[in-house]
Amino acid sequence: DTAVSQTPKYLVTQMGNDKSIKCEQNLGHDTMYWYKQDSKKFLKIMFSYNNKELIINETVPNRFSPKSPDKAHLNLHINSLELGDSAVYFCASSQVGIGTAFFGPGTRLTVT
Amino acid sequence: QQQVKQSPQSLIVQKGGISIINCAYENTAFDYFPWYQQFPGKGPALLIAIRPDVSEKKEGRFTISFNKSAKQFSLHIMDSQPGDSATYFCAARNALSGYNKLIFGAGTRLAVHP
Repeated sequence: DTAVSQTPKYLVTQMGNDKSIKCEQNLGHDTMYWYKQDSKKFLKIMFSYNNKELIINETVPNRFSPKSPDKAHLNLHINSLELGDSAVYFCASSQVGIGTAFFGPGTRLTVT
Repeated sequence: QQQVKQSPQSLIVQKGGISIINCAYENTAFDYFPWYQQFPGKGPALLIAIRPDVSEKKEGRFTISFNKSAKQFSLHIMDSQPGDSATYFCAARNALSGYNKLIFGAGTRLAVHP
């Protein structure tokens, strides 16, 4: 299936820990994103990479560090997790010039 | 201003009725307006999209109406079905920001009662 996939789907961890979320797309897109959806379901862009280059970096704490090893993969590493980081994180991809973004299934992060 | 304002926050419609969700924006640099549908536990999925040079786009039971002068657009779901119960997001892309950065509305939780 052509899609955007993320692992893990659920992540429960304690404050202060470091965790990573992985994303892969096989749609052949050149741009990938991380979005955060809070408890009120508000969706906000965090980062975007185009061909492995960081192009959008919203005002996100520097505890969040994205990494793109190639244009089909975009990972999100979070250091020193805080309670407020609890949310659903969505990876998405698109092709430059075409507005449609395709979203992954999400990773529900719960920090206790 | 990057904001997209969406209303209502929640909507209850009887089966067979018309669901209408409205969005408004300020930034005239927005050039692409998609609507996404999200079911619980799933990622948002593109439903239908429109560009500002078109006033209406219809795909099956879903129609986007676009009013460029008023900077408003709306989603109409005709003959609403219980399976349409989901959260709907309008969004807008800023052509000047490049790379398809989408600004989302706050979402509308639609419940279609049988």
